[in-house]
Amino acid sequence: EDQVTQSPEALRLQEGESSSLNCSYTVSGLRGLFWYRQDPGKGPEFLFTLYSAGEEKEKERLKATLTKKESFLHITAPKPEDSATYLCAEFTSGTYKYIFGTGTRLKVLA
Amino acid sequence: ETGVTQTPRHLVMGMTNKKSLKCEQHLGHNAMYWYKQSAKKPLELMFVYSLEERVENNSVPSRFSPECPNSSHLFLHLHTLQPEDSALYLCASSQEWGHTEAFFGQGTRLTVV
Repeated sequence: EDQVTQSPEALRLQEGESSSLNCSYTVSGLRGLFWYRQDPGKGPEFLFTLYSAGEEKEKERLKATLTKKESFLHITAPKPEDSATYLCAEFTSGTYKYIFGTGTRLKVLA
Repeated sequence: ETGVTQTPRHLVMGMTNKKSLKCEQHLGHNAMYWYKQSAKKPLELMFVYSLEERVENNSVPSRFSPECPNSSHLFLHLHTLQPEDSALYLCASSQEWGHTEAFFGQGTRLTVV
């Protein structure tokens, strides 16, 4: 069964303390791996799409990477405004739909 | 307006009521989606419309009825809901039904009493 697993479930960082979030995805038939940010009470906001192993994308303090079996969202020198839930999703040729993980709740303390 | 707009933002309804959620996208996209988000659970895909035709119906109870009158508008008609249907309902759109990124609305927080 296609599924996406994210870890950790929750993460508390001090401001400036870099870390990484993990997303394990279904390996076969991947057509896209997506990262979203979701603030409380709001819809997810698109961050990145990765298509093939070795690909990397950056936006401000965030960098997403993709290997053959997992994706990482690296957060460098985070600020309190980076606090949110980060969602990972896959789109595969098997299911032909987006499958989301349960997310990582990130809290950055000033 | 730009992006994906959902109304209402909050809705409280009784189990015997009938209500509708509305979604409008101003992105010129061809695919639109309804998702359900409950606490501690992944987003659940409910329906997919591509070029105004329903292409995915994810075993959703018949008390949820979607409607896509044109490529910019999507509705979710609700009737005789159960308390366990209380959740955040999210509308999204993407350029094509497939691997392109989806853009989400702010959601409707639904409470069934």
